[in-house]
Amino acid sequence: QKEVEQDPGPLSVPEGAIVSLNCTYSNSAFQYFMWYRQYSRKGPELLMYTYSSGNKEDGRFTAQVDKSSKYISLFIRDSQPSDSATYLCAMTPSGPGNKLTFGGGTRVLVKP
Amino acid sequence: NAGVMQNPRHLVRRRGQEARLRCSPMKGHSHVYWYRQLPEEGLKFMVYLQKENIIDESGMPKERFSAEFPKEGPSILRIQQVVRGDSAAYFCASSPEAQMNTEAFFGQGTRLTVV
Repeated sequence: QKEVEQDPGPLSVPEGAIVSLNCTYSNSAFQYFMWYRQYSRKGPELLMYTYSSGNKEDGRFTAQVDKSSKYISLFIRDSQPSDSATYLCAMTPSGPGNKLTFGGGTRVLVKP
Repeated sequence: NAGVMQNPRHLVRRRGQEARLRCSPMKGHSHVYWYRQLPEEGLKFMVYLQKENIIDESGMPKERFSAEFPKEGPSILRIQQVVRGDSAAYFCASSPEAQMNTEAFFGQGTRLTVV
């Protein structure tokens, strides 16, 4: 069993819809939870990170962490075609600049 | 301030040859991480280096793979006697220091194809 599980998708939504992404994990030592966006043939780009449980909002993006269930989510409101990418969750016991354990990524396609 | 620079972007090697992948961290960054991404998979940690030191190589295959981050110059990931299974995208990330609220920035990756 992988330490971090993520549905590979693809997830196809119409423009303007809410995109809902999630990951589950098994290692209770994880404290920092990140979401990365990766366009085709590019490097991952950090969208946001959350420490421990709770919610964090940044523009159209909302990240949620439920440590009791070992479950994290990312919501993208008012999705745009430019949001079409692969979204990777990542986590680490220490800070976000440290060794990361990634999920396999979910491909998202936002159709105009 | 230039980002994390990786070169080459694409590398083709025949089976049995050596591959050298280079990573220049962002200015002021002294921590480098290498990750490998197989097709349709997430990134897998390989090695964590600081200047002249390997801190954590728990993700490195035991044979044929080595990494260094010299006092001067880029970090190098070296794969000897490459095999088809080494074909992947290799990413490096750098951070100024491994503290709580410091993120790591990724390069654009080197795509290695073994033929």
